[in-house]
Amino acid sequence: AQRVTQPEKLLSVFKGAPVELKCNYSYSGSPELFWYVQYSRQRLQLLLRHISRESIKGFTADLNKGETSFHLKKPFAQEEDSAMYYCALGWTDSWGKLQFGAGTQVVVTP
Amino acid sequence: DAGVIQSPRHEVTEMGQEVTLRCKPISGHNSLFWYRQTMMRGLELLIYFNNNVPIDDSGMPEDRFSAKMPNASFSTLKIQPSEPRDSAVYFCASTPSGQQETQYFGPGTRLLVL
Repeated sequence: AQRVTQPEKLLSVFKGAPVELKCNYSYSGSPELFWYVQYSRQRLQLLLRHISRESIKGFTADLNKGETSFHLKKPFAQEEDSAMYYCALGWTDSWGKLQFGAGTQVVVTP
Repeated sequence: DAGVIQSPRHEVTEMGQEVTLRCKPISGHNSLFWYRQTMMRGLELLIYFNNNVPIDDSGMPEDRFSAKMPNASFSTLKIQPSEPRDSAVYFCASTPSGQQETQYFGPGTRLLVL
């Protein structure tokens, strides 16, 4: 069965410090991995997807198939990064269905 | 485009009452998803439609929950009868054809069942 695990419910970091949000997945096929973000009073939105291999708002995520991980990283956290982050798994023949993790609340303090 | 539209934004009701949540997907999107968000369980997929046809309703918690999509521009999620444990934020999301994995979320409906 497909599963997405985000072990940290809450991550508190200081502004300027590195931040890493962990995500592990369980899927036997070829996965599509995503990070979605929900800022306060805003809609849940796509942050980045592994297939794009891009950096968005300073965030990057590398798919590690050996460790079945897709951790989200940013070298210098900013206060505006405070939000709820969800890791999501998609797979072929799923009609666009995504399996979301439980989410990690990030709080960046000055 | 206003994006995915959900109504109402907030709903307070008493246990046993019927609750109907509404969603208007982005025009041209062919897949629609209903999610429930709680502190304990995070974001759970309840049901999703493709071209107005329900594809997977395995996430619907019990028979009290039902969802319909009578046309490409409207969907409803109904809870009858409602219970306090149904209190959550309910999201609707839609996906454009050819971009199956990029889901566009609505603002959500915050439901409180007393």
